[in-house]
Amino acid sequence: QVQLQESGPGLVKPSETLSLTCAVSGYSISRGYYWGWIRQPPGKGLEWIGSIYHSGSTYYNPSLKSRVTISVDTSKNQFSLKLSSVTAADTAVYYCARGSASVNIAATRLIGFDYWGQGTLVTVSS
Amino acid sequence: QSVLTQPPSVSAAPGQKVTISCSGSSSNIGNNYVSWYQQLPGTAPKLLIYDNNKRPSGIPDRFSGSKSGTSATLGITGLQTGDEADYYCGTWDSSLSAYVFGTGIKVTVL
Repeated sequence: QVQLQESGPGLVKPSETLSLTCAVSGYSISRGYYWGWIRQPPGKGLEWIGSIYHSGSTYYNPSLKSRVTISVDTSKNQFSLKLSSVTAADTAVYYCARGSASVNIAATRLIGFDYWGQGTLVTVSS
Repeated sequence: QSVLTQPPSVSAAPGQKVTISCSGSSSNIGNNYVSWYQQLPGTAPKLLIYDNNKRPSGIPDRFSGSKSGTSATLGITGLQTGDEADYYCGTWDSSLSAYVFGTGIKVTVL
């Protein structure tokens, strides 16, 4: 059974960098799939932040791209999110998830997310 | 705001059928696969439908998906109290180069 578990600080100060890690069990990241981060502000909808392939190829939401870095550590079977210069608008529940993609010469298109972590609330406040 | 539009809410009695629409454009739904997610209160989203109309193992056949042009539909038959949740559509947007989710719809079982 594939399981994902987010970890990281629940409180981050404005202008600082939010850092989260997602530990994966039951499946080796190096076997494939696209490992991603999705967030949900309190009472609002879902927003895709970005995804990474085990090779290190990354795909970011253009609206967040300038502030986001996603990395993978296959030796620890985990991947991480860094979001810089955070503001109160970045307060949200952050989910990690396993994703599938359709890949051809022209582009890589994410198809969907089949396994999700339970989510972790990150509050941006001084 | 999202490029995928869903009605904000729908309600029906137990045992009834509901259909949930997701409206997009040729850059997203029109040319990419659609997935549907169920989010029960206080929990993480759960994949219900992928590749427009396929159900992952363990998802009952009361849930069905379809796509026509730039719109997609999720159907739920034999509505149960346990189906009360928020439902989101999702797909790739080729113009934005981003995975996008719908605005979400709250399903209430009367």
